[in-house]
Amino acid sequence: EAAVTQSPRSKVAVTGGKVTLSCHQTNNHDYMYWYRQDTGHGLRLIHYSYVADSTEKGDIPDGYKASRPSQENFSLILELASLSQTAVYFCASSDLGVDTGQLYFGEGSKLTVL
Amino acid sequence: GDSVTQTEGLVTLTEGLPVMLNCTYQSTYSPFLFWYVQHLNEAPKLLLKSFTDNKRPEHQGFHATLHKSSSSFHLQKSSAQLSDSALYYCALSVAKLTFGGGTRLTVRP
Repeated sequence: EAAVTQSPRSKVAVTGGKVTLSCHQTNNHDYMYWYRQDTGHGLRLIHYSYVADSTEKGDIPDGYKASRPSQENFSLILELASLSQTAVYFCASSDLGVDTGQLYFGEGSKLTVL
Repeated sequence: GDSVTQTEGLVTLTEGLPVMLNCTYQSTYSPFLFWYVQHLNEAPKLLLKSFTDNKRPEHQGFHATLHKSSSSFHLQKSSAQLSDSALYYCALSVAKLTFGGGTRLTVRP
């Protein structure tokens, strides 16, 4: 079974603070993704990457940065956290593009911004 | 742009009754369609994926049929079980995966 681990699993941050969510996969997958989950909005793509040292914007990239220093690691960075960024964040990986490959999700990181 | 619509946000039914969760999509291409399931406090997992040859995918008693004429990929099961209670997402892929808003299914005894 594919393994994607996220840290921290839960975090409380203050408005204006910096938050880094980390993701590590041991699947040897090329593609990695960051989604946020909100009730009623489903899962929305923030950033993704198909190769180390390169990231791409997803559907809702504003207020987020991403970093892919290696094939295994993919981070999501909130430079100035805001209340509206309170959500559950999921990292995922796939061995091919989404057209043919399935996504393997991590357990999620619950972020609360106060 | 591409979009997925799941009309029911919440579905509650009694164990043993049939399940049907609606999914319609809009795309200028011919995308792959997926159903993902997320149980409470767990990660989303792939449940079903559409085939290119119009075969009907099945898994854990669930099945879905891709109807290109109506742009639909509804999820069905003949008899609901308590363990089916979960959040279900329909998704389409055209270069990237686009999810619907999700349907929370609750099965009561």
